[in-house]
Amino acid sequence: GAVVSQHPSRVICKSGTSVKIECRSLDFQATTMFWYRQFPKQSLMLMATSNEGSKATYEQGVEKDKFLINHASLTLSTLTVTSAHPEDSSFYICSASGKKYEQYFGPGTRLTVT
Amino acid sequence: QQQVKQSPQSLIVQKGGISIINCAYENTAFDYFPWYQQFPGKGPALLIAIRPDVSEKKEGRFTISFNKSAKQFSLHIMDSQPGDSATYFCAASWAGSARQLTFGSGTQLTVLP
Repeated sequence: GAVVSQHPSRVICKSGTSVKIECRSLDFQATTMFWYRQFPKQSLMLMATSNEGSKATYEQGVEKDKFLINHASLTLSTLTVTSAHPEDSSFYICSASGKKYEQYFGPGTRLTVT
Repeated sequence: QQQVKQSPQSLIVQKGGISIINCAYENTAFDYFPWYQQFPGKGPALLIAIRPDVSEKKEGRFTISFNKSAKQFSLHIMDSQPGDSATYFCAASWAGSARQLTFGSGTQLTVLP
């Protein structure tokens, strides 16, 4: 149990375009979902926390107009990187938590902006 | 005060040996301490977790030791195998932060065959 999927697993886009990443909890209802960014050989950096049906809470320094998060249901959250630039290239990972303490991570999405 | 400090940064162990990774925290409100295993290009996988009401938790070859007074916890991997070679992250959370995880900096474990 506790499976979280992400789609796509990797995406290459041109500078200036927008990219949407989906995060789904497959076998549990996720009251809270989190989005992280990870650079090579570094720890995970929390970008935002979202609860179903409410606006996401962004961490300091994360542009909410650039990284749009929607948590439309208890099993789906999306991250849209708007007007992507090469510096947005990174590994984006979502996680989901249910009623208990555990947080389960998706497999990640490798974004490359050319 | 939200930091979780993890050491060592990298660790090389012979097959069959014991791998030990340590973490220390400052925020006494933390009440959940998970360890994650991450392979290159993959998302972190929950390995084992502990709450502060117990001092040790064992699952298979993986053991968490928890010292509340010292504000430290550690992961022990017994009989380490080459397949255990990965990056390990400790983390901590508390209810007041919407259960956001505060991660350690990670330990790159290499188990030599």
